Amino acid sequence: DAKTTQPPSMDCAEGRAANLPCNHSTISGNEYVYWYRQIHSQGPQYIIHGLKNNETNEMASLIITEDRKSSTLILPHATLRDTAVYYCIVRVGHSGYSTLTFGKGTMLLVSP
Amino acid sequence: KAGVTQTPRYLIKTRGQQVTLSCSPISGHRSVSWYQQTPGQGLQFLFEYFSETQRNKGNFPGRFSGRQFSNSRSEMNVSTLELGDSALYLCASSSSNGGYNSPLHFGNGTRLTVT
Repeated sequence: DAKTTQPPSMDCAEGRAANLPCNHSTISGNEYVYWYRQIHSQGPQYIIHGLKNNETNEMASLIITEDRKSSTLILPHATLRDTAVYYCIVRVGHSGYSTLTFGKGTMLLVSP
Repeated sequence: KAGVTQTPRYLIKTRGQQVTLSCSPISGHRSVSWYQQTPGQGLQFLFEYFSETQRNKGNFPGRFSGRQFSNSRSEMNVSTLELGDSALYLCASSSSNGGYNSPLHFGNGTRLTVT
């Protein structure tokens, strides 16, 4: 899987949008960008994924640049419960293989 | 729909013992993967099963093994436990053939402590 680069930590005020960046400059054409988050002592939680187009679901939005070398996860109205480690992962398009390679992620701290 | 269920939630074992961890995937999911999480190494892939067959394996010693049953439930076993095996063991399931466009959904893990 392509390597990703994320800032180690970020702060966000409650109620504001949290924009988490991820660089994946070596991404290939068939690699998806996945985002997960992990709250202490729980398993990683799937948030969203995409290939080329921007994606939105009930949790977040994913903005992928046109050259696909970077992406941004947007939590539109951060709450205290969004405090977690956020992982950006690019996943190669091998059919049938479900491995994910996790980096160190970004620790997002949402403050009142 | 119920999520991925892992049992037990916590486990304490002594060096040299063996341990078996259990995972029930989301209903309808046929792919089950196992991961080990430690503070030093982060999340590392152990192995993945699909339709009772191991399809992929990470870089772990042979003491780590697993299996999947016909109902997609999975177990992993660690024999001759070492102190370094203390970790959070996570199970994840995905739908259909578990391809790259199918998200993995994780359980909350089994916290294993080896003394």
